[in-house]
Amino acid sequence: EVQLLESGGDLVQPGGSLRLSCAASGFTFSSYAMSWVRQAPGKGLEWVSLIYSGGSTTYYADSVKGRFTISRDNSKNTLYLQMNSLRADDTAEYYCAKVTGSGYYTWDYWGQGTLVTVSS
Amino acid sequence: EIVMTQSPATLSVSPGERATLSCRASQSVSSNLAWYQQKPGQAPRLLIYGASTRATGIPARFSGSGSGTEFTLTISSLQSEDFAVYYCQQHNNWPLTFGQGTKVEIK
Repeated sequence: EVQLLESGGDLVQPGGSLRLSCAASGFTFSSYAMSWVRQAPGKGLEWVSLIYSGGSTTYYADSVKGRFTISRDNSKNTLYLQMNSLRADDTAEYYCAKVTGSGYYTWDYWGQGTLVTVSS
Repeated sequence: EIVMTQSPATLSVSPGERATLSCRASQSVSSNLAWYQQKPGQAPRLLIYGASTRATGIPARFSGSGSGTEFTLTISSLQSEDFAVYYCQQHNNWPLTFGQGTKVEIK
């Protein structure tokens, strides 16, 4: 059974930093691209970042480019999101999601999310 | 950035009826369009990708169609568990983008 378990969400002040983690199990983690997708309270879904299976290629939404860094440790089956220079509009539930694969940049498994609140 | 526009914002449907949801892209995304279902307090669930391919375990009452800029998700006979918010997502260009969602509610 595929499981994705996010952690690291917290209340942080504007300008602060946070690192999210996502522990994966139930599939060959090193074979799949992974993503972070977020959802502000009461709002829709926003793709944040994607990393290829080997970790060498990454993509970011313009809203987070230069502030967030996605990475992975295939030896630990763990995905990360380093979030710097946080702003109030980064407040959201952050989901870790497994890319479907076979050339489809969609997400067939999702974690339950971790809440990041940026506020003074 | 490709803008995805969903309509209607809210769809009121009686159980057992057919529901038709629309998604339009601001430029062609070929057949690279996905649909997700999200219930309150839950993570999204992938229903359809590649415009018309059902994801693993998705019932046959869910079907997707379209290509280019116009897409449709059809739920042939709404069940109680289908009342939720549905999002489309293009997976043709970076950045990957979602529509704003259609809420399917009980009439």
